[in-house]
Amino acid sequence: AQSVTQLDSQVPVFEEAPVELRCNYSSSVSVYLFWYVQYPNQGLQLLLKYLSGSTLVKGINGFEAEFNKSQTSFHLRKPSVHISDTAEYFCAVRVQIPAGGYNKLIFGAGTRLAVHP
Amino acid sequence: DGGITQSPKYLFRKEGQNVTLSCEQNLNHDAMYWYRQDPGQGLRLIYYSQIVNDFQKGDIAEGYSVSREKKESFPLTVTSAQKNPTAFYLCASTPVGLAGPQETQYFGPGTRLLVL
Repeated sequence: AQSVTQLDSQVPVFEEAPVELRCNYSSSVSVYLFWYVQYPNQGLQLLLKYLSGSTLVKGINGFEAEFNKSQTSFHLRKPSVHISDTAEYFCAVRVQIPAGGYNKLIFGAGTRLAVHP
Repeated sequence: DGGITQSPKYLFRKEGQNVTLSCEQNLNHDAMYWYRQDPGQGLRLIYYSQIVNDFQKGDIAEGYSVSREKKESFPLTVTSAQKNPTAFYLCASTPVGLAGPQETQYFGPGTRLLVL
C-alpha cells in the first residue's frame, strides 16, 4: 500500500534561518507529489506539486521541493523563513483507485513548523 | 470569487444525534471529497464523488453518509453510529478532465465538530 511519512512532527526554527521539512513516500508506480500548508483553523492551501519533468519544483511563498526517486523523497525547503510561515505542512501523494478511474490523496501526518523571533 | 464554502465553522453534536455538514463549490468541479483530520494523523478520506448521483466510500466511511444531488453540493452526515466524531472535517474538489480527475485538490475552510 502506498504511504507517506513525514519524519518530523515538529520543527522549531528561528526567523530568517533555513528550514527543511522531510517527506518520504512509498509507491511502486508513477507518483504525483504535493505539499500543502494549513494555517490554524483553516483549510489546506497548495504550496507546490511534482507531476513530471524537473525534479526541483518551486512553489508559493518562496518554498521549493526536490523529488528524489532513488531515495523516494520529496523534501520541502525554504532558505529563509518568516514568522508568517508558522503553520502545519502536509506532504501527499496521489494514488489511482483501480475501479472507476478515481484518484485520492494519501497524506502524511503533518509537520508543525514553528518560527521564533 | 470562486471557491469552496463549508458551514457551519463549528458544530456541536449531542449523543445519538445525526448532524449534517455542508459543502458547496462554485468552481464547476466534478469531483468532490470529504476528509477527516485528527491531531497527528493527517487527513483521511471518508467519501468521494466524481459525478452527480454517484459516490464511493473512502478509507473510513463507517458512521458517515453523503449525497450528491447537485454538482455544486456534497453534504456529509455524521450519524449516531460514528462513535468518535470529534474532528476537523475538510471538503475538497477537483476538476475532471479527459484523463480523469486532475491532480490538484482545492480545499474548503473546514468544519470543527464537537460532541457535547
